[in-house]
Amino acid sequence: DARVTQTPRHKVTEMGQEVTMRCQPILGHNTVFWYRQTMMQGLELLAYFRNRAPLDDSGMPKDRFSAEMPDATLATLKIQPSEPRDSAVYFCASGDSGREKLFFGSGTQLSVL
Amino acid sequence: QKEVEQDPGPLSVPEGAIVSLNCTYSNSAFQYFMWYRQYSRKGPELLMYTYSSGNKEDGRFTAQVDKSSKYISLFIRDSQPSDSATYLCAIDSGGGADGLTFGKGTHLIIQP
Repeated sequence: DARVTQTPRHKVTEMGQEVTMRCQPILGHNTVFWYRQTMMQGLELLAYFRNRAPLDDSGMPKDRFSAEMPDATLATLKIQPSEPRDSAVYFCASGDSGREKLFFGSGTQLSVL
Repeated sequence: QKEVEQDPGPLSVPEGAIVSLNCTYSNSAFQYFMWYRQYSRKGPELLMYTYSSGNKEDGRFTAQVDKSSKYISLFIRDSQPSDSATYLCAIDSGGGADGLTFGKGTHLIIQP
């Protein structure tokens, strides 16, 4: 059963530390998305890639966040330095460009103390 | 005005009731309308997808779109406790998976 895999599931860290979240998209999918979910803002798009190329990262605070796809099986989202306001659930999703169905991972619950 | 508005709830109804969930949107360029269901501690999963105005039915679920009013609805018949989740509407202008705009979600509770 194909699924998007995210690691870690939970991360607790101290302010100022680097955080790296990883995502393995579904094999064959050529679009990858990073979303952040909070109670106040809901789901916010941070970045997305098509065929590993970044297409839009306008939702991401670029001074501290970076997103990459080193290869087709791995997407990463890094926060350096982390801040308490970054506490949220971060979701990765993948899909076929031209189709509307996004498959989401189970998310990384990040707490920055 | 936000592009997609959705009442966060919670909405609590007894088992067996008909549930109506709604979203309004502001951008008339939106063409594709989706409903995602999100269980606690899980990622959203696509429940319904529709393109045109009118109704689309899938089992106990019916998605309705009124483009003239910029209003979309999801109806759940014979609601079950397993339907308890957060339901997010998602709207797209380009027809692909790029650039989906999500509502904040409505938390639904079905009481046994």
